Amino acid sequence: QTVVTQEPSLTVSPGGTVTLTCASSTGAVTSGYYPNWFQQKPGQAPRALIYSTSNKHTWTPARFSGSLLGGKAALTLSGVQPEDEAEYYCLLYDGGAWVFGGGTKLTVL
Amino acid sequence: QVQLVESGGGVVQPGGSLRLSCAASGFTFSNYGMHWVRQAPGKGLEWVAFIRYDGSNKYYADSVKGRFTISRDTSKNTLYLQMNSLRAEDTAVYYCAKSPQSVDFDYWGQGILVTVSS
Repeated sequence: QTVVTQEPSLTVSPGGTVTLTCASSTGAVTSGYYPNWFQQKPGQAPRALIYSTSNKHTWTPARFSGSLLGGKAALTLSGVQPEDEAEYYCLLYDGGAWVFGGGTKLTVL
Repeated sequence: QVQLVESGGGVVQPGGSLRLSCAASGFTFSNYGMHWVRQAPGKGLEWVAFIRYDGSNKYYADSVKGRFTISRDTSKNTLYLQMNSLRAEDTAVYYCAKSPQSVDFDYWGQGILVTVSS
């Protein structure tokens, strides 16, 4: 069973830039894993941000972007806003199964 | 607008059964695959099951395989999750989610709590 690893926590200043990563225990993450990214705030359902590595949903703010970086999937937030403080989850497709990472708690301070 | 509304949660004893429903509206239900995802209290997200748009293929996480069954009723625009032989570790908020291209997710429901306890 694939294990997907994310940074447990990151801190960023308002207006700053931060990159969250998503690694697979089976090797490099490629576009064939169709990385998805989600944001979840306390007491709320997850909200989809990015699909298939880098595609944004119609509601995804422009400051969020997805990519592949150094063998991992990456979510970059540029010009971070206080409302971006949340838990972020990546998800990889693993041939008939989907595996979430453990989540990254992003603090905006 | 797309809406997904889960129902059927509650408290059930270990070994018991429960059926969750997810009522879909605002899109052509028969054209899209659907997922179930759960989240144990204070924990991360765990993918549970997926069903293709036409019900022809179903996939399950190892943790629920053989105990849970995903299904759909196009005439009722409703997704189901039949959960049998429930265990304490199945306690979680269960979400249904729409899949635009099978491998992706877009809209999520608000979630429903299932508690397995004696």
